[in-house]
Amino acid sequence: DSGVTQTPKHLITATGQRVTLRCSPRSGDLSVYWYQQSLDQGLQFLIQYYNGEERAKGNILERFSAQQFPDLHSELNLSSLELGDSALYFCASSTTGSGANVLTFGAGSRLTVL
Amino acid sequence: AQSVTQLGSHVSVSEGALVLLRCNYSSSVPPYLFWYVQYPNQGLQLLLKYTSAATLVKGINGFEAEFKKSETSFHLTKPSAHMSDAAEYFCAVRGRNNDMRFGAGTRLTVKP
Repeated sequence: DSGVTQTPKHLITATGQRVTLRCSPRSGDLSVYWYQQSLDQGLQFLIQYYNGEERAKGNILERFSAQQFPDLHSELNLSSLELGDSALYFCASSTTGSGANVLTFGAGSRLTVL
Repeated sequence: AQSVTQLGSHVSVSEGALVLLRCNYSSSVPPYLFWYVQYPNQGLQLLLKYTSAATLVKGINGFEAEFKKSETSFHLTKPSAHMSDAAEYFCAVRGRNNDMRFGAGTRLTVKP
């Protein structure tokens, strides 16, 4: 157990729908990252938060949004889902989110869009 | 911009043989470099990290990596492969915006 908790572990939904993925960071970590992992795109950085504020943005689609709440948990919202959004979504956390700080990953949420 | 390139999407070795997984980085400043491992159906786990304190970095499970500025490389090695080393390995660099950028990954297969 890495200490980073992601729910749900698996999610199956239909095109056009909206889903929310949740992440609780490791105790004491202030920074949360979201990644999308698919066979054809590899591990793509989506977005990073630090203590509630957006710190860095990667290849996140406009249909996707995220936030980090005061209790430091984070949610990734995916809307108007397409078949191509099927992927494994990872959350990771780190203490400060900079420099040599390492990321601790959750087990991931597997999204299947039918 | 900081980035990493992993050479070889698949590497196959025999049990007991040397493991060499290649990673080259691109960075205009001294980089923070990392190797992570992903076992099937799991998240990524840190193997080791380079923070400029030493060019040869030792990690978990007998892995080590050497930072070579002249070659812009940070290759991962293990003297003797074990069946349990079969996994996907990712090289990563801390970006200017503090995001963590990963390479495409190298899948290691260990043959008995």
